[in-house]
Amino acid sequence: DAGITQSPRHKVTETGTPVTLRCHQTENHRYMYWYRQDPGHGLRLIHYSYGVKDTDKGEVSDGYSVSRSKTEDFLLTLESATSSQTSVYFCAISEEAGGPDTQYFGPGTRLTVL
Amino acid sequence: AQSVTQLDSHVSVSEGTPVLLRCNYSSSYSPSLFWYVQHPNKGLQLLLKYTSAATLVKGINGFEAEFKKSETSFHLTKPSAHMSDAAEYFCVVSAPSGGSYIPTFGRGTSLIVHP
Repeated sequence: DAGITQSPRHKVTETGTPVTLRCHQTENHRYMYWYRQDPGHGLRLIHYSYGVKDTDKGEVSDGYSVSRSKTEDFLLTLESATSSQTSVYFCAISEEAGGPDTQYFGPGTRLTVL
Repeated sequence: AQSVTQLDSHVSVSEGTPVLLRCNYSSSYSPSLFWYVQHPNKGLQLLLKYTSAATLVKGINGFEAEFKKSETSFHLTKPSAHMSDAAEYFCVVSAPSGGSYIPTFGRGTSLIVHP
């Protein structure tokens, strides 16, 4: 299994509070991604990174920010959580070549915003 | 632009019968196509991928998929379903966009296997 961990694995928070989710990899892969998974929607891309300090928006980026200060860590921040951000969040990585590569997924973080 | 449509949100089969999960795609470029599987409360795992080599792709656990450019399809099949195949399956298309390959996921097909 690819070395990808996500923390925390579960979190319950209240509307309006900031939340940061962490993705950590030990594979030295260039690309890292944050997705959210909601019933009936599959996985939707929030943000992705193609290198340290290089990030770009996905299709559902509103209300989220990311940072990547080290190759191995990719942080997802909800500045002010809302109930619509209740979801399961997955981090993924892909290989150095950056072509049509296989993605490897973390175990997910279940976030509940009350 | 690219998109992917999984034609069935749920597929129900009996153990030992064939499985067919349907996927159609749209892409401005020659795409790479993937199928991933997600078992309950788990992350996603690659089943197989097509990257412009052989059009019939074999994956893990007896699954295979055929790339048909004329039909813009990439359907997933298995000759005989096992109970352990019950899971969510995602079809994914990936094509170049501004120098990067950003995957687009289908909405998923839930495979139900009856004893």
